[in-house]
Amino acid sequence: NAGVMQNPRHLVRRRGQEARLRCSPMKGHSHVYWYRQLPEEGLKFMVYLQKENIIDESGMPKERFSAEFPKEGPSILRIQQVVRGDSAAYFCASSPPGLFPPDTQYFGPGTRLTVL
Amino acid sequence: DAKTTQPTSMDCAEGRAANLPCNHSTISGNEYVYWYRQIHSQGPQYIIHGLKNNETNEMASLIITEDRKSSTLILPHATLRDTAVYYCIVRLWGGTSYGKLTFGQGTILTVHP
Repeated sequence: NAGVMQNPRHLVRRRGQEARLRCSPMKGHSHVYWYRQLPEEGLKFMVYLQKENIIDESGMPKERFSAEFPKEGPSILRIQQVVRGDSAAYFCASSPPGLFPPDTQYFGPGTRLTVL
Repeated sequence: DAKTTQPTSMDCAEGRAANLPCNHSTISGNEYVYWYRQIHSQGPQYIIHGLKNNETNEMASLIITEDRKSSTLILPHATLRDTAVYYCIVRLWGGTSYGKLTFGQGTILTVHP
C-alpha cells in the first residue's frame, strides 16, 4: 500500500510566479490536510479537505493561497504570485474516512518550495 | 487543544531505552495524546496514540498517568535512526478542531553510539 505521495519534491519559482503542489492520499483515504514548515520553525496547519469540500481553512493565509481536493485526482495547494516568504516545506497528510478516532494522519515526504 | 510541554532536547545511548516525557496538565476527557516524530526534515511519522490506557505497538510504548496530566513515550531500544524531533500532541476529538494537528516545538532526541 503506497503511502502519501507528493510532487514535485522540490520546486523553484521566481517571485510573482504560481506554485502548484500536488498530494495523492493513501489508498482509501478521503481526508487531506496541508501543513507548512517555514525554515527553522515548527509545522503549522493550513487546511483540511474532504472530497470536493473544504472543512477547515483556518490556517490558510488570506490571500494568494487556495486548496482543492476534487472528486477525481490529487489534492492541489496553489500559491499565486509567490514571494520569498513562501519558501518552506509543504507537507500533505491523509487519513481514512469516518468520524471516529483514531483518524491517524499519515504524512507525505513534502514539497520544498524555493522562491528566488 | 490542550497545551503540551516537552523538554527541548534529550540524549540517549544506542541500545538503551529512550523515555520522552510530555506534560499536558490541562487535558480534558475527550482529548487524545498523539506522538509523531520528524527525522531530519522528512515528513512527520506517526508513532502511537492513546486516550487513558497505556498503549504499545511495534515502534514504542505510551504510558499515560492515571490523572492523564502527563505521559511518557518509550522507545525500548533506541538506535541511531531514532534521532529525530519528537512531538507530543494533545488532540480534541469532536467539534471543529478535530481535523488539525497542532505541533509544538517538540523534543530533539539525539541517540549516540
